[in-house]
Amino acid sequence: DAGITQSPRHKVTETGTPVTLRCHQTENHRYMYWYRQDPGHGLRLIHYSYGVKDTDKGEVSDGYSVSRSKTEDFLLTLESATSSQTSVYFCAISSGTSAIAEQFFGPGTRLTVL
Amino acid sequence: AQSVTQLGSHVSVSEGALVLLRCNYSSSVPPYLFWYVQYPNQGLQLLLKYTSAATLVKGINGFEAEFKKSETSFHLTKPSAHMSDAAEYFCAVSDRYDMRFGAGTRLTVKP
Repeated sequence: DAGITQSPRHKVTETGTPVTLRCHQTENHRYMYWYRQDPGHGLRLIHYSYGVKDTDKGEVSDGYSVSRSKTEDFLLTLESATSSQTSVYFCAISSGTSAIAEQFFGPGTRLTVL
Repeated sequence: AQSVTQLGSHVSVSEGALVLLRCNYSSSVPPYLFWYVQYPNQGLQLLLKYTSAATLVKGINGFEAEFKKSETSFHLTKPSAHMSDAAEYFCAVSDRYDMRFGAGTRLTVKP
């Protein structure tokens, strides 16, 4: 299995509180991604990173920010959590050398915002 | 933007029967297409991918998919379903950084 870990694996928080999810990889891959998974929507890209300090927005980036200060870590922050951000969050990594590069997924973080 | 549509959110087959999961894509450029599988409480795992080298793509666990440009389809098949195939399956199209997933098809295998 690709060396991807996510922490925490489960979190319950209250509306308006900040939340940070961490993705850690041991594969030294350049590209990292954050997705959210919701029933009926599949996975939707929130943000991605193509290198240290290089990030860009995805399809559903509103309300989320990211940071990547090291190759191995990609952080997703919800500045002020809302109930609509209750979801399962997946991190993925890729060598990204071409469009056919496979993405490897972490185990996911289940976030509940009350 | 590229997109995929998976026809049927739930598919149920008997063990030993043919599995057919449908995926149609929309793309303005030659597409890069993928099928992923997700088992309960796990992340996604790649089953197979279309890279334009061959229209019939073989993947893991006996699955295969055929790229049909005229039909803009990339349906996933397996000749004989096994109980362990019960999972959710996602079709995806990639534009290098932007991978778009379908809504998923949950496969149930009946004994």
